[in-house]
Amino acid sequence: AQSVTQPDIHITVSEGASLELRCNYSYGATPYLFWYVQSPGQGLQLLLKYFSGDTLVQGIKGFEAEFKRSQSSFNLRKPSVHWSDAAEYFCAVGAPDGNKLVFGAGTILRVKS
Amino acid sequence: EPEVTQTPSHQVTQMGQEVILRCVPISNHLYFYWYRQILGQKVEFLVSFYNNEISEKSEIFDDQFSVERPDGSNFTLKIRSTKLEDSAMYFCASSERRQAVQSYFGPGTRLTVT
Repeated sequence: AQSVTQPDIHITVSEGASLELRCNYSYGATPYLFWYVQSPGQGLQLLLKYFSGDTLVQGIKGFEAEFKRSQSSFNLRKPSVHWSDAAEYFCAVGAPDGNKLVFGAGTILRVKS
Repeated sequence: EPEVTQTPSHQVTQMGQEVILRCVPISNHLYFYWYRQILGQKVEFLVSFYNNEISEKSEIFDDQFSVERPDGSNFTLKIRSTKLEDSAMYFCASSERRQAVQSYFGPGTRLTVT
């Protein structure tokens, strides 16, 4: 069965600092991987996804993520965080032919000025 | 850009009442999903639906829940007798192909059971 672990419940970074949110997955083959962002009371916005090919994936809002098969990881990064990036971030995994996505518990990002 | 819409955005109901949450998937999509997010917790899969049948459902999706595509555009989630623990954000999603990985999510309906 698929599972996703986001080890950090909360992360606080200063505005302008770099960011890395961790995501580890468990799946028997190469999964499809996603990062979503959710602002308070809002829906899920897809930041980026990895299906195959280049392991460094570029997304919206200046985010990128790198798939590392050997570490079963798909960490999200941003070189310089803006105050508007404060939100909750969810990593998700899906089987290529599956009926569902499995989400991690989320990481709440706080940005201090 | 086409999008999934959900109504209402917020529903308040009393325990024991029936609620129907509505979703309008993207028009050419054939696969539909419901997910739930209890406040402060992760998003959890409830059910997937294709060709007027449930494809897969989770343990959460018990006999109190049902889904329906009553017409060519709507996809509904019914909870027959709501409990306090049903309070959550409910997300609808749809995809053109079978793979749920191609899903587009709606903005969610916040259900509050009092």
